Amino acid sequence: AQSVTQPDIHITVSEGASLELRCNYSYGATPYLFWYVQSPGQGLQLLLKYFSGDTLVQGIKGFEAEFKRSQSSFNLRKPSVHWSDAAEYFCAVGAKSNYQLIWGAGTKLIIKP
Amino acid sequence: NAGVTQTPKFQVLKTGQSMTLQCAQDMNHNSMYWYRQDPGMGLRLIYYSASEGTTDKGEVPNGYNVSRLNKREFSLRLESAAPSQTSVYFCASRGDGYTFGSGTRLTVV
Repeated sequence: AQSVTQPDIHITVSEGASLELRCNYSYGATPYLFWYVQSPGQGLQLLLKYFSGDTLVQGIKGFEAEFKRSQSSFNLRKPSVHWSDAAEYFCAVGAKSNYQLIWGAGTKLIIKP
Repeated sequence: NAGVTQTPKFQVLKTGQSMTLQCAQDMNHNSMYWYRQDPGMGLRLIYYSASEGTTDKGEVPNGYNVSRLNKREFSLRLESAAPSQTSVYFCASRGDGYTFGSGTRLTVV
């Protein structure tokens, strides 16, 4: 079955600390992978995406993610978080020829001052 | 600004009432989507339209209908609202990635 798992419902980090949000997927075709961020009361904004090529991809707001095919993972990282990064983060997987994305349930990031 | 526009932003319905959620995009994208978002469940696809003139069911289509009016517009209709349809609804269009509207918060009482 196709699925996306974000194992952490909530993560709390101190401002200035590093961050890693986990995403594991199960998908039968070559995956196209996405990370989106949702601030409270807002829509979803694309942080970054992986289609092919270099497995380390850079996104907006200083985020990066690494695609590891052997581990079926696409973890999101940031070296130093800011209070404005507090939001919910969603991982999603799809295929180029498929019009549907499969979404993880999200990870809520809480920033401690 | 280019993007996806949804209306209304908020709506309260009584059980059995009907309503249509409107969505328009100005990015010339072919495919458009309607999702619902419920706490702890991520996004679930209701319907999508791969191109103008076509629509297909997603994961949770029951109780909803859609119309792809033209390339820009994709509406979602609730014919007889139920409390289980209380949710936040997002419209999206697909280009290189997916662009989302700001959402409609719907409460059915």
